[in-house]
Amino acid sequence: EAQVTQNPRYLITVTGKKLTVTCSQNMNHEYMSWYRQDPGLGLRQIYYSMNVEVTDKGDVPEGYKVSRKEKRNFPLILESPSPNQTSLYFCASSLVSEETQYFGPGTRLLVL
Amino acid sequence: GQNIDQPTEMTATEGAIVQINCTYQTSGFNGLFWYQQHAGEAPTFLSYNVLDGLEEKGRFSSFLSRSKGYSYLLLKELQMKDSASYLCAVAGSWGKFQFGAGTQVVVTP
Repeated sequence: EAQVTQNPRYLITVTGKKLTVTCSQNMNHEYMSWYRQDPGLGLRQIYYSMNVEVTDKGDVPEGYKVSRKEKRNFPLILESPSPNQTSLYFCASSLVSEETQYFGPGTRLLVL
Repeated sequence: GQNIDQPTEMTATEGAIVQINCTYQTSGFNGLFWYQQHAGEAPTFLSYNVLDGLEEKGRFSSFLSRSKGYSYLLLKELQMKDSASYLCAVAGSWGKFQFGAGTQVVVTP
């Protein structure tokens, strides 16, 4: 089944404790992207990747890192999480950047 | 600056038609997408416009005018299951995507 998977789905952590949210797709998509969704603000793009080893900043990249060492995986790293990073995070992928994106199920993060 | 505007909420009765407008100002344009998102779930694709005009897919249609920076999503023969948030999104230059804040559609019996 074609899908985008994210882990974990739910996470409660404390300020400053490094964490990684994994994202994987099995559709051989070149383009992958991370978003955060907050009430009243909609989805905001954090980072995206046009292909392996090619990543770029979205609108809200501060406090986040990403890597794209292989085509299928695009992990999101929070080196030192803060409470303002409490949010719902979505990973998405598409064949190329101008095509329909398929979203993972989301990761709900709470930073205390 | 870059901006995508859509109404916050719309209410309509079952069987009716609702039109959700979206206006955008972005530095590049490679297409406009509409997604549906039910509460607590991931967005799912509804429609895509890259050229001016109307795209029809069953009960859903989407229109684009690039010169006016304007799109709408038309939902016909509304059903209770259509109660959801509808997101307008613009594919900009070099892989950037911008989403509107979403329009919550409430369908009443």
